[in-house]
Amino acid sequence: QGQLVEFGGGVVQPGTSLRLSCVASAFNFRGYAMHWVRQAPGKGLEWVALISFDGVNKYHADSVKGRFAISRDNSENTLYLQMNSLRAEDSAVYYCARGLQDYNKASDVWGKGTTVTVSS
Amino acid sequence: QSVVTQPPSASGTPGQRVTISCSGSSSNIGTSYVFWYQQLPGTAPRLLMYRNSQRPSGVPDRFSGSKSGTSASLAISGLRPEDEADYYCAAWDDSLRVVLLGGGTKLTVL
Repeated sequence: QGQLVEFGGGVVQPGTSLRLSCVASAFNFRGYAMHWVRQAPGKGLEWVALISFDGVNKYHADSVKGRFAISRDNSENTLYLQMNSLRAEDSAVYYCARGLQDYNKASDVWGKGTTVTVSS
Repeated sequence: QSVVTQPPSASGTPGQRVTISCSGSSSNIGTSYVFWYQQLPGTAPRLLMYRNSQRPSGVPDRFSGSKSGTSASLAISGLRPEDEADYYCAAWDDSLRVVLLGGGTKLTVL
């Protein structure tokens, strides 16, 4: 079925950077598109970014465009989210999720999430 | 940015049928598949429905989805206490090139 584990969350100051990682196992990582989705405390889900299986096509939400960048290393079965110029409103649990094989906009396998807190 | 809208809350009693609506526009629900997630308290989301009405393996057939024009709905029949959760609809927006998620509907089983 597949497993995803996120790393890299923590407490950081506004304006700084952080890189999240998501390590995939038990499935053919290089064959799937991948997403980042976040959830602020007590709020709903917010889609953040999508990357194609080969890393060529990348899409980002308007709220993070120009500040965040999704990337992947298929040789390491790892998905990344580089987050720059962090703001208080970026504080959230960040989930990585696998795109469905036959419709990659939806996600069928999710990690447990890593928490990012942006605070001075 | 375009918005996908769903009611903030819904409720029903055990055994009842409840429906959660989801409204969008021609650039998202009107032209793309709708999918739904269920999120139980303190857990990661779970895919409940994709391609408007397809259930991933393991999702009970008590859950069904439909789409008409720029609206979609998720129906849950034979409501059970364990269905109490947050439900999110989503769709790809063809002009913005983003996934739009609704604000979520908190389902309470009375």
